[in-house]
Amino acid sequence: DAGVIQSPRHEVTEMGQEVTLRCKPISGHDYLFWYRQTMMRGLELLIYFNNNVPIDDSGMPEDRFSAKMPNASFSTLKIQPSEPRDSAVYFCASSLTGGAAFFGQGTRLTVV
Amino acid sequence: GENVGLHLPTLSVQEGDNSIINCAYSNSASDYFIWYKQESGKGPQFIIDIRSNMDKRQGQRVTVLLNKTVKHLSLQIAATQPGDSAVYFCADSFILTGGGNKLTFGTGTQLKVEL
Repeated sequence: DAGVIQSPRHEVTEMGQEVTLRCKPISGHDYLFWYRQTMMRGLELLIYFNNNVPIDDSGMPEDRFSAKMPNASFSTLKIQPSEPRDSAVYFCASSLTGGAAFFGQGTRLTVV
Repeated sequence: GENVGLHLPTLSVQEGDNSIINCAYSNSASDYFIWYKQESGKGPQFIIDIRSNMDKRQGQRVTVLLNKTVKHLSLQIAATQPGDSAVYFCADSFILTGGGNKLTFGTGTQLKVEL
């Protein structure tokens, strides 16, 4: 069984550019989460979806960040324009209702 | 420059010894708790979970203990092996009306296994 699949694994971009991170959750899971991990702040929840609907986006740092889930098997996290302080590892995770979240391998984003 | 970041508690154990990693949570409404293991360069990996109607649950070489009175969770690893070296996170959540399920993660504990 494939787990949560994220792409790309690494992304290096210049400040001001648009960045799109992609996620394919585990089939059948009805929750999808986007987390960000940094040395300074640890693991932070950015946004989560239930049945493709955004439920809580209070963790999204700024309007530069947006996330979509057009269907049950795909989600994107977009940063436009990107800034050096956005450099972090971004994780996608999925779960069943009331169950543990299973994480992807993450996307390491570096904005120069 | 100086690497400034979260100060992760570190637990160093000898190979073969038992490890105990502790975690405190703050939300008294939390009813579901999970331990994750994160190795360098990888995503957090599910280890074991426990619901609030239990105070102990055992897996393969791991045991989770839950004390709701003091809002404390612990992970015990028996016969610690070099492959257990990682950062361990606890997470708690509660089910909202309508099915919301939001995990809150602790800052993590670095486990180092010495040969």
